[in-house]
Amino acid sequence: EDQVTQSPEALRLQEGESSSLNCSYTVSGLRGLFWYRQDPGKGPEFLFTLYSAGEEKEKERLKATLTKKESFLHITAPKPEDSATYLCAVSFSGGSYIPTFGRGTSLIVHP
Amino acid sequence: DGGITQSPKYLFRKEGQNVTLSCEQNLNHDAMYWYRQDPGQGLRLIYYSQIVNDFQKGDIAEGYSVSREKKESFPLTVTSAQKNPTAFYLCASSRQLGSNQPQHFGDGTRLSIL
Repeated sequence: EDQVTQSPEALRLQEGESSSLNCSYTVSGLRGLFWYRQDPGKGPEFLFTLYSAGEEKEKERLKATLTKKESFLHITAPKPEDSATYLCAVSFSGGSYIPTFGRGTSLIVHP
Repeated sequence: DGGITQSPKYLFRKEGQNVTLSCEQNLNHDAMYWYRQDPGQGLRLIYYSQIVNDFQKGDIAEGYSVSREKKESFPLTVTSAQKNPTAFYLCASSRQLGSNQPQHFGDGTRLSIL
């Protein structure tokens, strides 16, 4: 069973059609939740870190929120250039503290 | 600009051959990591190092080896014992292991079998 689950696996939107991506986790002791954007053939690019429930971070059309067991990445009025795979990673207390990654959500925004 | 450089971008391996993927960083980070990415899978940790001359196995270390002789460099060798090496390999670094700071990634090496 995955410790970090992202949904949906894939999402197609029309330009301007707002939506949300979900990242949920099962393990207790959250130290940090990270969102990344990955373009095809490239490495992940860091977007946000969230540390505690209730925290929100914003960057252009993206807004990340965190509750006790999940995070949402809200995309407002997306543009085709927002098309990418969005990865979530969670760091837990105990063990090596190395973040565990979800499988990602592939987002395509049509003009 | 500081960052992580991975080379080569594409690599082909013949049967029974070992190949080495390069990863260099100029961010002055102590911790470095190697991940493998397959379609539909999350990033899976191969090896990590929190300091020079020290490294630890990750979740899928079998068939791989690493070295950390310099702070800036963390090469990954894919040995002939790795029977399914075709994948996208990503190198990352962070300030320190357990610092709760985000990881910085290179642009990957795509390894294929000839």
